[in-house]
Amino acid sequence: DAGVIQSPRHEVTEMGQEVTLRCKPISGHNSLFWYRQTMMRGLELLIYFNNNVPIDDSGMPEDRFSAKMPNASFSTLKIQPSEPRDSAVYFCASSYPARAEAFFGQGTRLTVV
Amino acid sequence: GENVEQHPSTLSVQEGDSAVIKCTYSDSASNYFPWYKQELGKGPQLIIDIRSNVGEKKDQRIAVTLNKTAKHFSLHITETQPEDSAVYFCAAIPAGEDSSYKLIFGSGTRLLVRP
Repeated sequence: DAGVIQSPRHEVTEMGQEVTLRCKPISGHNSLFWYRQTMMRGLELLIYFNNNVPIDDSGMPEDRFSAKMPNASFSTLKIQPSEPRDSAVYFCASSYPARAEAFFGQGTRLTVV
Repeated sequence: GENVEQHPSTLSVQEGDSAVIKCTYSDSASNYFPWYKQELGKGPQLIIDIRSNVGEKKDQRIAVTLNKTAKHFSLHITETQPEDSAVYFCAAIPAGEDSSYKLIFGSGTRLLVRP
């Protein structure tokens, strides 16, 4: 398996624009997590899904952030409108059913100017 | 909720020496404690984990110890090599999250192994 695949690897956008980050989890994994990493706040869990259903979105910063998982092989994290303080590396991770080991993608480095 | 604290934030050791990173957690019901290694430009990678029913686990040069009474766990790397240089994160899964395995991470330790 190729592992968790995220796209794009890098994204530079202007303030106010919509940004969509994409994730393909490892086949057979039923849990999917979105994390944000910054120097100031470290690794923060934004939202996670079990069997395509959002379980806990309490980490989502505000209404500008939304996440979807339309099927077991694809998830998106959308920021609309984007702001400079959203600049960070966003990671997607997935795990097998009833297993705690999470596998991370390479991340998307987002820069909002 | 669960809170994980990690120390030190940076650690510099001479090649061949040992490195120890320590974490404490707040939720006494937490029962799974993984360690992740993150190299520059990459995502975190699981290197070792321990569950609450054991006190120590070893995998070649790395080992993890767990003290449930004191609510702390540590990563030990022996015979360090330059390729061990990376950022290391500890994590815990809060109680009641067994069905989702939501990880709460420590703040990370930047390890530098000097040749």
